[in-house]
Amino acid sequence: DTEVTQTPKHLVMGMTNKKSLKCEQHMGHRAMYWYKQKAKKPPELMFVYSYEKLSINESVPSRFSPECPNSSLLNLHLHALQPEDSALYLCASSHISRAFLPTNYGYTFGSGTRLTVV
Amino acid sequence: DQQVKQNSPSLSVQEGRISILNCDYTNSMFDYFLWYKKYPAEGPTFLISISSIKDKNEDGRFTVFLNKSAKHLSLHIVPSQPGDSAVYFCAASLFKTSYDKVIFGPGTSLSVIP
Repeated sequence: DTEVTQTPKHLVMGMTNKKSLKCEQHMGHRAMYWYKQKAKKPPELMFVYSYEKLSINESVPSRFSPECPNSSLLNLHLHALQPEDSALYLCASSHISRAFLPTNYGYTFGSGTRLTVV
Repeated sequence: DQQVKQNSPSLSVQEGRISILNCDYTNSMFDYFLWYKKYPAEGPTFLISISSIKDKNEDGRFTVFLNKSAKHLSLHIVPSQPGDSAVYFCAASLFKTSYDKVIFGPGTSLSVIP
């Protein structure tokens, strides 16, 4: 299994709603990431988890709350979002060591959740 | 401060010819460089990478060249095909003990004309 699976693929939510994005991988990767991508822009890092612990929070507003319940799952809980938070939210995973990497090594991204806040 | 730069927002190439996408970086601590391809409304697809200790890596039609002294890398696609039309992101990685911090360039939109 070489995939990162994200659900749902599309989500429309009101500014008072609470929703969650889910990400799952079974590649044995112990580092998992949330990125946000707006149209015609590069992905921007939001959070990094390694060994199920939060390693980076890139000054993300508290209305975004990440959670890593186990080594295969990563959630992003959303509450009281603003219309400007509408974007493609991407999950990725990677190895946690530079040792024994394949010749071609890179993050594996999921296909993303297209979020629209109304 | 933009650490990874792709100075060409767009590039048009005839089918069968070579596509060359360029990327510059500023941080000499980056130890891996990656190229991703992205179609609209999809996640980025990993194409090819290169370690900072190498100067070339080839995978099929894709070759990445790294010039560390110039802090420059390029992706060559030969021959270019219409299905290669997409946005290409250059990315650079800083390894932080147990995870990668990957920083993306702004992207180059490649159009391959049949």
